[in-house]
Amino acid sequence: KAGVTQTPRYLIKTRGQQVTLSCSPISGHRSVSWYQQTPGQGLQFLFEYFSETQRNKGNFPGRFSGRQFSNSRSEMNVSTLELGDSALYLCASSLGQGFRGVNTEAFFGQGTRLTVV
Amino acid sequence: AQSVTQLGSHVSVSEGALVLLRCNYSSSVPPYLFWYVQYPNQGLQLLLKYTSAATLVKGINGFEAEFKKSETSFHLTKPSAHMSDAAEYFCAVSLMIYNQGGKLIFGQGTELSVKP
Repeated sequence: KAGVTQTPRYLIKTRGQQVTLSCSPISGHRSVSWYQQTPGQGLQFLFEYFSETQRNKGNFPGRFSGRQFSNSRSEMNVSTLELGDSALYLCASSLGQGFRGVNTEAFFGQGTRLTVV
Repeated sequence: AQSVTQLGSHVSVSEGALVLLRCNYSSSVPPYLFWYVQYPNQGLQLLLKYTSAATLVKGINGFEAEFKKSETSFHLTKPSAHMSDAAEYFCAVSLMIYNQGGKLIFGQGTELSVKP
């Protein structure tokens, strides 16, 4: 069974640009979550999508957005990049079943390392 | 509000010694608890999880953790450290609340070093 695939693995962008990151979940998983990892702030939750709907959102500015397609693949977009957006962006997929969306096991991709210069 | 605190950002042990990584949580509702490991330039790998069944949870690579509600703790242990255990370890919580289950709240991480 293929794992969670994130593309690209590495990105270098200039301040003010926008970027789109992609995540393909494990087959059959309907929940995709995104996290930002930085040395200073650690791992922070960005948002979660389940069946093409955003089900949960973290405390990030509106420059951070995402979406999920009918095949459960997800993209996140960051507009007007700032130096502080440099981070490892991790995607996690899970079954996400039930009205509570209980995450009993989330599988992570290898991440996309974004550097803003 | 829910939170996770990992005591000690760096822990160093000798090969063959006991590994103990501490995690305390704060939650107003029953939590699900997890330990993840991250190797350099990699994503997170699930070591073990507590989902309200047995309080002593066994995971991969010889790790285990015990859920203690009275102490709000979920410490990770391994009887004998291997060099390959050197990595960063994260404790995380998700909540049994409507539509909150897909969100993981992580501790700040503990970097484990293993000396030969």
